[in-house]
This record gives sequence, structure tokens and C-alpha cells, in this order.
Amino acid sequence: NAGVTQTPKFRILKIGQSMTLQCTQDMNHNYMYWYRQDPGMGLKLIYYSVGAGITDKGEVPNGYNVSRSTTEDFPLRLELAAPSQTSVYFCASSYKGLETQYFGPGTRLLVL
Amino acid sequence: AQSVAQPEDQVNVAEGNPLTVKCTYSVSGNPYLFWYVQYPNRGLQFLLKYITGDNLVKGSYGFEAEFNKSQTSFHLKKPSALVSDSALYFCAVRDTYSGNTGKLIFGQGTTLQVKP
Repeated sequence: NAGVTQTPKFRILKIGQSMTLQCTQDMNHNYMYWYRQDPGMGLKLIYYSVGAGITDKGEVPNGYNVSRSTTEDFPLRLELAAPSQTSVYFCASSYKGLETQYFGPGTRLLVL
Repeated sequence: AQSVAQPEDQVNVAEGNPLTVKCTYSVSGNPYLFWYVQYPNRGLQFLLKYITGDNLVKGSYGFEAEFNKSQTSFHLKKPSALVSDSALYFCAVRDTYSGNTGKLIFGQGTTLQVKP
């Protein structure tokens, strides 16, 4: 049982480039979440999904897109990278909405 | 607005001494409260949660937390700190306006430093 896995671990992007952060969970969880973590700011919710085919915006969705075609995968897309998107990104999942969320190891993104 | 506050950026404690990491919250309705720990360059690990019932919640690695409704607090405690407890600790509360989506509101985090 790998839990929640994220790739890549680290990436450097140039301004205006695009990329997809991958997130996969093998726990058959219905709910999945994307957060960003900035120093001294805690975690902010970017997007979430309550099941395959259903996604919704969180607190800071601008500049990001998501899709949820399968229960296991929840990729996060950055279309036009900006320095403000330099952050650490965490994916999380839970079986139900009120259950404990389990986090992946994170992706560190640097936009220059 | 719903929020979580961790009033201390850093807590320093000597190994073997008790530790407390503070958390206060502001939500409408019944709070669902969580504590997570983050070790350097790692993801968040679940420690414990309060949903309902006994106000003293026991969790992983000897940690416990006390829910105090009148003070709207959920402080994390451990009777005897270990150097290996040094990490970043996050308090979180379920966003009660979001139904069953499970959206969490996180505090800004408290760094715990345990010195030998």
C-alpha cells in the first residue's frame, strides 16, 4: 500500500512554462485535495474533488486547473507558470469528506 | 470568518519536559479538529482528531490534545518530549460551511524544537 504518491519531487520552471503535477492514491479514496504550502502561511486549498468527474475550487484556484477522470488520479495543471506559484504542493485524500486526510510527500516547485 | 490560530511560531522545550502547542479556532457549529506533524522535506502526518465525545483525545507517538469548547481551544500536549519530536505542527479545523466536502482550514504552523 503506497498511500498517496506525488511526482515529481522537485521541479524548476521558467516563467510562462506549463507543467502537470501528478497525484495518485491506492486507498480507493473518494475525496482528493490539492494544497499549496508557503512559509509561515500554513496550507491553502487549491482544488478538491469528491469523486471521479467532480471537481471544485478551493481558496486559491487562480492559475491552476485539475481533472479527475479516475478514482486514483488527481493531476494539477499549471498553464502559465508565474513566480507567485513557487511553493510546495501537497496532494491529500480521504475516504469520505469527514474522514482523516492522508498526504503525499509533496512537490517542490520553483518558478524563475 | 472561520479560522484557526496557532499563536506561537516556535516552541522550545528540553527533552523529558512536558510540551504544549497551542491552537484556537473559530467556526460555526460543531468543530472537527485535527493535528498534523510535518518532518523536514516530508508530507503531513496525521496525529489525532476530535470529532465528538471525550474532550481528551489520544493520538500517535504519545501525543494527546484537549478540546475546550468554552475557550475554543485544542492544544496539543505530550508529557515527556523527545528530541525526535522536533518538527512543524499544524492544527486544522473542518470548514463547517462546506458541507461534507472535508475542506480543512489550517493554522500557520508551530515549529517545535526539543533540545537534549
